[in-house]
Amino acid sequence: AQKITQTQPGMFVQEKEAVTLDCTYDTSDQSYGLFWYKQPSSGEMIFLIYQGSYDEQNATEGRYSLNFQKARKSANLVISASQLGDSAMYFCAMRGGLAGNNRKLIWGLGTSLAVNP
Amino acid sequence: GAGVSQTPSNKVTEKGKYVELRCDPISGHTALYWYRQSLGQGPEFLIYFQGTGAADDSGLPNDRFFAVRPEGSVSTLKIQRTERGDSAVYLCASSLIGSNNEQFFGPGTRLTVL
Repeated sequence: AQKITQTQPGMFVQEKEAVTLDCTYDTSDQSYGLFWYKQPSSGEMIFLIYQGSYDEQNATEGRYSLNFQKARKSANLVISASQLGDSAMYFCAMRGGLAGNNRKLIWGLGTSLAVNP
Repeated sequence: GAGVSQTPSNKVTEKGKYVELRCDPISGHTALYWYRQSLGQGPEFLIYFQGTGAADDSGLPNDRFFAVRPEGSVSTLKIQRTERGDSAVYLCASSLIGSNNEQFFGPGTRLTVL
């Protein structure tokens, strides 16, 4: 069975510093995709970054980068130069079996990030 | 607006009643998803539509839950004989078809069953 584990219920970071949010996954699929989403207090899920299992380079999107270590089955999110607006819940999610109709996302419990001024 | 919209934003009902939750996806997105998010949890997959058909309904918890997408655009999630345990935020998302196409989420419908 597929599973996403986020072991940090809450994290604090000082404004302008970098922070790493941990995510480990479990799957028997050879091809899969990993996603990070941000959920502010308003409730809407905002897509941040995607990493495919066959991508050789770590994904980057602006201040977000994904530290993908396939052998360790980890896909940590790194946020550089934290801003106050980064305070939110962050979810790691996985989509397995990239062929066919398997398109559902399996989600972790999330990490609550608080950025201190 | 160009995003996914959901109505109502809040729904309060009594145990045993029937409710309908509506989702209007991004124009041109053929894939539509329903998730349920309970307090303090990550979203839980319910059902996925590709066009008008339900390609994967493995997440529907029981036969009280049903969803339709008759014209391949708007979708309605229907819950019969609601129970207090159905209280959650129901999220709808849409996407293009593709291996790495991200799912765009709506603001959700907060359902409270008294």
